[in-house]
Amino acid sequence: EAGVAQSPRYKIIEKRQSVAFWCNPISGHATLYWYQQILGQGPKLLIQFQNNGVVDDSQLPKDRFSAERLKGVDSTLKIQPAKLEDSAVYLCASSLSTVAGELFFGEGSRLTVL
Amino acid sequence: QKEVEQDPGPLSVPEGAIVSLNCTYSNSAFQYFMWYRQYSRKGPELLMYTYSSGNKEDGRFTAQVDKSSKYISLFIRDSQPSDSATYLCAMSASTGANNLFFGTGTRLTVIP
Repeated sequence: EAGVAQSPRYKIIEKRQSVAFWCNPISGHATLYWYQQILGQGPKLLIQFQNNGVVDDSQLPKDRFSAERLKGVDSTLKIQPAKLEDSAVYLCASSLSTVAGELFFGEGSRLTVL
Repeated sequence: QKEVEQDPGPLSVPEGAIVSLNCTYSNSAFQYFMWYRQYSRKGPELLMYTYSSGNKEDGRFTAQVDKSSKYISLFIRDSQPSDSATYLCAMSASTGANNLFFGTGTRLTVIP
C-alpha cells in the first residue's frame, strides 16, 4: 500500500514570497490533515478535511495560509506571503476513520524562509 | 501551562537498556493516548495506542497510562540502535483528530 505522498521535500524562499505544498493521501482515506512542525516542537494541526469539506481550520493563519482539497483526494497548502516564523516542516496526514490518533503521515515538506 | 509536557531529552542509552519515556498532561478529559515514533527527516508513525488507563504491551514496547496522576509512559525493553528516533506522545479527549495534542518529543539515541 502506497503511503502519503508529499512534494516538494525541501523549499527555500525569501520572506514575502509564496510557496505551495502538495499532498496525495493514502487511497480511500477520507480524512486529510495538514500539520506544522517547528524545530523542537510537536506537530500542530493547521487544517482538517473530511472528503473535500473543512472540519477544523481554527489554527490556520488565514491571512496568509490557505488550503484546498479538490475532489476529496489531493490537497494543496499555500503560504502567501511567507514570514520568517513559517520556517517549519509541513506534514500531511490521512486517516481511514476519525478514531483519534490513527494517522498516517507523509515525510513532510521542509520550508526555510530567509 | 501547556496541555502536554514532555522532556525533550536528548536521551542516550547503551544497546540492551530499558528506556522510559514520559509525558504529563493537564486536561483531565483526555481519554485517548498515543505514542508516535519519528525518525530523522521522516513523518511520525503510530507506535502505540491506548484508551483510558492501564497498560498495553506490543513486543518490546509497553505503554502505560495513569489518569489519576495525568501521566503516561512508554517503556522500551532490550533497546536497539534502530530504536534511535524522536518519540512523541499525543492525546485527545474525543475521537476527532482535530483535538489531538502532541508533546514536543524526546530524542532517543541507542548506542551500539
